[in-house]
Parts: sequence; C-alpha cells; structure tokens
Amino acid sequence: GAVVSQHPSWVICKSGTSVKIECRSLDFQATTMFWYRQFPKQSLMLMATSNEGSKATYEQGVEKDKFLINHASLTLSTLTVTSAHPEDSSFYICSARDPREGDYNEQFFGPGTRLTVL
Amino acid sequence: GQNIDQPTEMTATEGAIVQINCTYQTSGFNGLFWYQQHAGEAPTFLSYNVLDGLEEKGRFSSFLSRSKGYSYLLLKELQMKDSASYLCAVMDSNYQLIWGAGTKLIIKP
Repeated sequence: GAVVSQHPSWVICKSGTSVKIECRSLDFQATTMFWYRQFPKQSLMLMATSNEGSKATYEQGVEKDKFLINHASLTLSTLTVTSAHPEDSSFYICSARDPREGDYNEQFFGPGTRLTVL
Repeated sequence: GQNIDQPTEMTATEGAIVQINCTYQTSGFNGLFWYQQHAGEAPTFLSYNVLDGLEEKGRFSSFLSRSKGYSYLLLKELQMKDSASYLCAVMDSNYQLIWGAGTKLIIKP
C-alpha cells in the first residue's frame, strides 16, 4: 500500500511556542490529506481536510488561526500549532488517499506525532 | 446526526475467536472500514466493505449489512499481538470518514 510519513514523531515544547508537523506521501501524489487529533483513550477526531493549492476545510470547533494548514505540493502538507498550550498536547495523525486506488477510498495514515506542551 | 457505536472493551483468550460489532447511522454510505490501532501508533487498515456480505482476509473477516446499518469484525485464532483497539469507520455521502470510538481488545493467555 501507499506510504505516508510524518515528522517529527514526537515533540516537546514550551507553552506559547509554535510547532510545525509535516506530512508527506512518499510514493504517490495526494491531492487531499487529512489531519486528525486523538486524545488518550478516544477515537480519531478529524480536524481539517487539506487540499493541494487551496485553503483547508476545517471541522466545526477547530480554530483556523491556531491550527494552520498548508498543502503547498502534491506530496506535502504541514500543520502548525501556533501558540501551543498544554491542552493542545495530543497525538496528531495525518492521512491521505491514494488516487490510484480509484473508488476504494482507503486512507493511508502517517505514523503520528506526539505533541507535549509543557 | 451521525453515529457509530461499538463496544468500549472486549476480552478474549489466545487461540479463540472474537467478534466485534459496529452499528452506524450516517448521512449516506460509501463503505465501512475497520482499522487496527496499537497504543501510541497510527491506525492500520484491516478491511473495507461496501457491499453486503462477508469479506475474508486470513484470520480476519468483516461482515456488512447495509439494511441493518451493521458490521462486525471477526478475529480467529487470536494471538497476543492482536491486543489493540479496533476502529470502525464509515464513509458518508461527502466521502468523509466518521469514526467510532474504538473497541479495546484484550487477549489473555
């Protein structure tokens, strides 16, 4: 199957700083990528849908100015958590659909980024 | 609203069979996915059902009944490494994945 990578795998930062997370599709071009957040013992929560060359579509309740998403190329989307606070500590996961899969619609997930804000 | 229900936790014995159920109510349906997620890791794809019936893939099988809004994941010959959370997700009419909260499966020797 398709491969999606994320960087960094984990990050610890001070409150008030900004953190950038990268999501890359390694062997395919992804016009659409998805950003999820997962708190302990909870399911995945979709934050936004990232479309190459256009603005991301955010889910209700997700602050656009706090979670900046840029999808500048067909293989890279970035999520920047601005002015991070301890409540932003979570597991952030990106995923992408491989357009070669046709109607199969499977999402391939990156390995996730564990963010801890002190 | 859209809703996916699955049990919070299940326990089974190594070598046995376990069935994890999932019921859903969504606006439209473009397929149902099962993912496996080990603690601290991202989900990995297990199965996809879009038509009614049983899909078998090795020790894992997935069943779908669209008329009943129901699916199950069947795991046979359980191994300790199968201890994980199993996530049911339905793709709605907008091709968005609606996720269940996941079922934590505990395998005992």
